Amino acid sequence: NAGVTQTPKFRILKIGQSMTLQCTQDMNHNYMYWYRQDPGMGLKLIYYSVGAGITDKGEVPNGYNVSRSTTEDFPLRLELAAPSQTSVYFCASSYTVSGGYTDTQYFGPGTRLTVL
Amino acid sequence: QKEVEQNSGPLSVPEGAIASLNCTYSDRGSQSFFWYRQYSGKSPELIMFIYSNGDKEDGRFTAQLNKASQYVSLLIRDSQPSDSATYLCAVNPWADYKLSFGAGTTVTVRA
Repeated sequence: NAGVTQTPKFRILKIGQSMTLQCTQDMNHNYMYWYRQDPGMGLKLIYYSVGAGITDKGEVPNGYNVSRSTTEDFPLRLELAAPSQTSVYFCASSYTVSGGYTDTQYFGPGTRLTVL
Repeated sequence: QKEVEQNSGPLSVPEGAIASLNCTYSDRGSQSFFWYRQYSGKSPELIMFIYSNGDKEDGRFTAQLNKASQYVSLLIRDSQPSDSATYLCAVNPWADYKLSFGAGTTVTVRA
């Protein structure tokens, strides 16, 4: 199993450009998440999904969009990139049973994004 | 008040010593507690999880949970230079499958 994979590893964008960060997991996990991590800070949840076709906002969703058409894929779309979106982006997945304990989240290697 | 707070670092310990990391959380109904390790430039990886009050040991790592006092701690015994990393505490609030992360504590083990 590859686990959680993310592409690209690095990207530099100009202000106003758009891009999609790709995330794929092969563990048949139902839950998937996107986080951003700014230097010296913890992880902030951007969006999450509890299954194909179902997504919801986290604590910092502005400037981002997501979709989840399959169990495996959860792309994150940045529209009109701004310098404030310079960060490291992590995708994660977990298998969680509703009403049960939250299971471990497994993280991808991250995408380091710079907006100039 | 932040949902999850960790003791500020960085924490420097000599090789072979015990490193003690603390984490407090605000939601009294929280159910699941996780410790992740993150090496510089890498993604977080799970070290331990704990659900019940008391201690849970795994090798050189011990997690301690006290729900009444709303804190969870991580002890690293016989610290090694390879333990030098940032340790993230994550908490699953009540009736919520999302995790709230602390800002992390950076540990440096000096040889």
